[in-house]
Amino acid sequence: DTEVTQTPKHLVMGMTNKKSLKCEQHMGHRAMYWYKQKAKKPPELMFVYSYEKLSINESVPSRFSPECPNSSLLNLHLHALQPEDSALYLCASRSEYVHRNTEAFFGQGTRLTVV
Amino acid sequence: AQSVTQLDSQVPVFEEAPVELRCNYSSSVSVYLFWYVQYPNQGLQLLLKYLSGSTLVKGINGFEAEFNKSQTSFHLRKPSVHISDTAEYFCAVSVSYQKVTFGTGTKLQVIP
Repeated sequence: DTEVTQTPKHLVMGMTNKKSLKCEQHMGHRAMYWYKQKAKKPPELMFVYSYEKLSINESVPSRFSPECPNSSLLNLHLHALQPEDSALYLCASRSEYVHRNTEAFFGQGTRLTVV
Repeated sequence: AQSVTQLDSQVPVFEEAPVELRCNYSSSVSVYLFWYVQYPNQGLQLLLKYLSGSTLVKGINGFEAEFNKSQTSFHLRKPSVHISDTAEYFCAVSVSYQKVTFGTGTKLQVIP
């Protein structure tokens, strides 16, 4: 199983809503990532979790709150978002061992629209 | 810090013609290099990767890339493209498992 599964595929939310994006992998990877991708732009790193602990936060606003409840799951909690937060949110996982399967595996993304 | 430059934002090419997508990287240490493809409204799929060893790397869908350390390049090539190759292609670099840095992408447009 080399899949990273993201739900939901599409999400429309108001600026006062609270929602969560979910990501799951069963490859035994201990590094998991959230990326944000705007149209016609490359993915931008938001958060990195390593062994279920937040290791990198790329100065992301607090209205985005990541959570890693276990080694297979990664959530991104959303609250009080702005229309400019509309984007494709990608989850990825990667082996923590540098010399083994070092590519990141990406999910299909959640297309988020904030209205 | 590492960085990646993709000089061409768009590359139009006729079907069955060869194509090269350019990628240059910058890093003070040894790197791992990747090419990913992204079809519209989808995630990223790995085409190929360079970790060490042979500088010519073969990937899926008939793509290959050559690592050139002296020119700090990792150009992607395909001898004959198909309509289905129309997509966005991202070169990426990594020096550890923590961070993968992407280039700005090249849109490959295959013309029938």
